[in-house]
Amino acid sequence: DQQVKQNSPSLSVQEGRISILNCDYTNSMFDYFLWYKKYPAEGPTFLISISSIKDKNEDGRFTVFLNKSAKHLSLHIVPSQPGDSAVYFCAASSNSGTYKYIFGTGTRLKVLA
Amino acid sequence: GAGVSQSPSNKVTEKGKDVELRCDPISGHTALYWYRQSLGQGLEFLIYFQGNSAPDKSGLPSDRFSAERTGGSVSTLTIQRTQQEDSAVYLCASSAQNYGYTFGSGTRLTVV
Repeated sequence: DQQVKQNSPSLSVQEGRISILNCDYTNSMFDYFLWYKKYPAEGPTFLISISSIKDKNEDGRFTVFLNKSAKHLSLHIVPSQPGDSAVYFCAASSNSGTYKYIFGTGTRLKVLA
Repeated sequence: GAGVSQSPSNKVTEKGKDVELRCDPISGHTALYWYRQSLGQGLEFLIYFQGNSAPDKSGLPSDRFSAERTGGSVSTLTIQRTQQEDSAVYLCASSAQNYGYTFGSGTRLTVV
C-alpha cells in the first residue's frame, strides 16, 4: 500500500526549461511534506519543505506547490540546470510527533545541456 | 562529526551469514531512522528511535532484522541469516526536530 506515489519514474528536460516533478498521497492525515534530492552513491539531501497550512513555498529556483484537496504536491525547478540531474523523492509525515516520513519511489530527472 | 556516518560503505556477504551495519548520527540529534532502498524502489522505512522511548519497529520486514541504539547515539542494524532479497542500500538518518532528516551515504549490501 503505497501512501506516497511518484508516478513518473523518469523525466528529461532541456537546460533552462522548467522541470515539474509530481507526487500524490493517499493519507489525509499527512500535513508536512519534504523533497529530497539524491545523487548516485550519496545519501539523499534535503531540498525544500511545505506544511499543510501553506500552498506554496519558494526557495530560489525551487518551488513546491501543495493542493490538499487533490492530495497532490509538485516541485518546480526553473530554470533547470544540468547539475539538477538526480533522483528526487517526496516524503510525507502526519507530524504526530514521531516525525516518521513515508517516501515515494522517486523520479529520476535528467537535465539535458 | 559534521554529518551522519555509516559503515561499511559496501558489504558483500554470503547468503545465510549475519551482517551488522553501523550508523553514527549527528551529535545531539535525538531521533535516528533506518531506511533501505532496493533496486528500483523508494525509500522503505525500517525502524525509528527517539530518545529513550521504545523504538518504532513497524517497518522491519522480518524477525531476522533487529536494531539497537546504545547510549542514545550510535545505532547498529543487524540482519541475521541474510537472503538475496536483503540486498539494498541501507540508509541511516538523524534529526533534531521535524524539519527533515540528515541522511548518511548509506551501506550498499550485496548478498551473494
